[in-house]
Amino acid sequence: GAGVSQTPSNKVTEKGKYVELRCDPISGHTALYWYRQSLGQGPEFLIYFQGTGAADDSGLPNDRFFAVRPEGSVSTLKIQRTERGDSAVYLCASSLNSRGAQETQYFGPGTRLLVL
Amino acid sequence: SQKIEQNSEALNIQEGKTATLTCNYTNYSPAYLQWYRQDPGRGPVFLLLIRENEKEKRKERLKVTFDTTLKQSLFHITASQLADSATYLCALPMDSSYKLIFGSGTRLLVRP
Repeated sequence: GAGVSQTPSNKVTEKGKYVELRCDPISGHTALYWYRQSLGQGPEFLIYFQGTGAADDSGLPNDRFFAVRPEGSVSTLKIQRTERGDSAVYLCASSLNSRGAQETQYFGPGTRLLVL
Repeated sequence: SQKIEQNSEALNIQEGKTATLTCNYTNYSPAYLQWYRQDPGRGPVFLLLIRENEKEKRKERLKVTFDTTLKQSLFHITASQLADSATYLCALPMDSSYKLIFGSGTRLLVRP
């Protein structure tokens, strides 16, 4: 594909609701990352996938957050029982293969989540 | 804990001048450092990577330095243009791996 895409671009929900955020990485990229960015801050790491498996989910703030990547391509970030503090921009990035690191990560435009 | 600091105040410069942005880090010895550009409503876009054994890296009007003794990187944009106005983020790999720690970014405003 042309780049990383994320849907929806904006999501408004009410406190306590469940939301799903979708990420389509660049075709052929095996590594996929989710970050969260609050206003005036840099992106904060949440979770990293290598292929279908979550290789590192140490950045997920609590067990209300969960992410999947069942076929090693599209990923979905799921947030249960949303709280107002979850409001942020959720960014997805992909890279060709993170083994060996020092790889460029390509970011999507983000999903702006607002919890009322 | 690992910490990255970027000047939170916006840098306001005149078109044609050189912009210099600073990234300082503590409690850390990264193998490399990256700089990204972020426009409002967009995700970060990778600009440059500099490794710990490199003192300087250039790409067109961009220049990055990396001083592992001072634990500092400087990012220069020469002959700045109005289109260079954006937020610039530095990022370091956590645990010498794929996980990136980002600074909070410095907003650059280039005026005519």
